[in-house]
Amino acid sequence: SYVLTQPPSVSVAPGKTARITCGGNNIGSKSVHWYQQKPGQAPVLVIYYDSDRPSGIPERFSGSNSGNTATLTISRVEAGDEADYYCQVWDSSSDHPEDVVFGGGTKLTVL
Amino acid sequence: EVQLVESGGGLVQPGGSLRLSCAASGFTFSSYWMSWVRQAPGKGLEWVANIKQDGSEKYYVDSVKGRFTISRDNAKNSLYLQMNSLRAEDTAVYYCARLVRELDYWGQGTLVTVSS
Repeated sequence: SYVLTQPPSVSVAPGKTARITCGGNNIGSKSVHWYQQKPGQAPVLVIYYDSDRPSGIPERFSGSNSGNTATLTISRVEAGDEADYYCQVWDSSSDHPEDVVFGGGTKLTVL
Repeated sequence: EVQLVESGGGLVQPGGSLRLSCAASGFTFSSYWMSWVRQAPGKGLEWVANIKQDGSEKYYVDSVKGRFTISRDNAKNSLYLQMNSLRAEDTAVYYCARLVRELDYWGQGTLVTVSS
């Protein structure tokens, strides 16, 4: 089955830019979605189809996807951005094209 | 406003059964795939199952195949997860979510604890 690899943790100072990566074999050929999850809360979609933002998500959140790496970029990081972030794809190339695949998650710490 | 509200979680002994429900509102439930996703304590998200709009297609993660059954009642705007032969490793918060290609709306989750 398809595997998505995320760094366990990323740290960034307030006001700086955080980049969270999601690695997968030829992930650039897939659509990648990103979720933010704060402690005790349900996940929230922050980026879909690689780089689109749902309504209500700040423009500081952006995404890109090419080759073997997708990236979630958070500009001008705020304390409220501290959370776990997960990438997700549909493994359309597998025997089970309807399976949903998540990365292992990245804890973003705002210093 | 889209709302998904899970219920039915609780404490169950190993080998036992539990049925989770998810009440949907604020959108045309019958037009969407739906999913169950779980999160073990301190762990990441794990997809559990998907069901097509009319219930004709269902997909499961390997670890629950033969034990869990996803279903839906479009007349009641409700999604279900029947969980049988529960194991300690099934302990998790279970979320229902609306599936497009992304999971665009999630419920607040319901906790299932499998323990003797």
